[in-house]
Amino acid sequence: DTAVSQTPKYLVTQMGNDKSIKCEQNLGHDTMYWYKQDSKKFLKIMFSYNNKELIINETVPNRFSPKSPDKAHLNLHINSLELGDSAVYFCASSQSGTGLEKLFFGSGTQLSVL
Amino acid sequence: DQQVKQNSPSLSVQEGRISILNCDYTNSMFDYFLWYKKYPAEGPTFLISISSIKDKNEDGRFTVFLNKSAKHLSLHIVPSQPGDSAVYFCAASAPGAGSYQLTFGKGTKLSVIP
Repeated sequence: DTAVSQTPKYLVTQMGNDKSIKCEQNLGHDTMYWYKQDSKKFLKIMFSYNNKELIINETVPNRFSPKSPDKAHLNLHINSLELGDSAVYFCASSQSGTGLEKLFFGSGTQLSVL
Repeated sequence: DQQVKQNSPSLSVQEGRISILNCDYTNSMFDYFLWYKKYPAEGPTFLISISSIKDKNEDGRFTVFLNKSAKHLSLHIVPSQPGDSAVYFCAASAPGAGSYQLTFGKGTKLSVIP
């Protein structure tokens, strides 16, 4: 029974398209995150949501928008995809978002923009 | 600006020997440090953490050492096992903007040779 699940696992699309990645956690956590692992292998935080409120938003282009219908789900919408968006995107969750507890990650979505 | 640096992209160790993975950081505000382990096609999983008030934390075969004056931490795995072969990410946390933010290094790929 997967704790943090994200779909799809692979996503190949053309430049200019709009796509979404879905994430669900069944751990009862209050905070969910999206991380991006770029070609240089750095894991960088994009967003986090705590009780439906955006609490972190690093300098991510506004083509990226997180949507959280409830605290168990945090989806990532990407508009007008660009070549540089190709990366692995990881969803994660934690109990309270204090940064002092461990994150539980999904298995990642490999996005390839052609 | 790499605030968390893992300067060794890879490390090979014989089974049964000690593996030592190193991590350096530049931000003196970091006060909590974590190690994550990642297998291919999976998300990172939490391994061990240490607060800046300690200089050592041990959990079974895994020990993390923190040298605050040198802004350096290391993860020791002893004895190393083939199942330990994975990418290890060092991460650091600092308070800011009302919540903690986690900064990851680029990872070190550990190969344990049977």
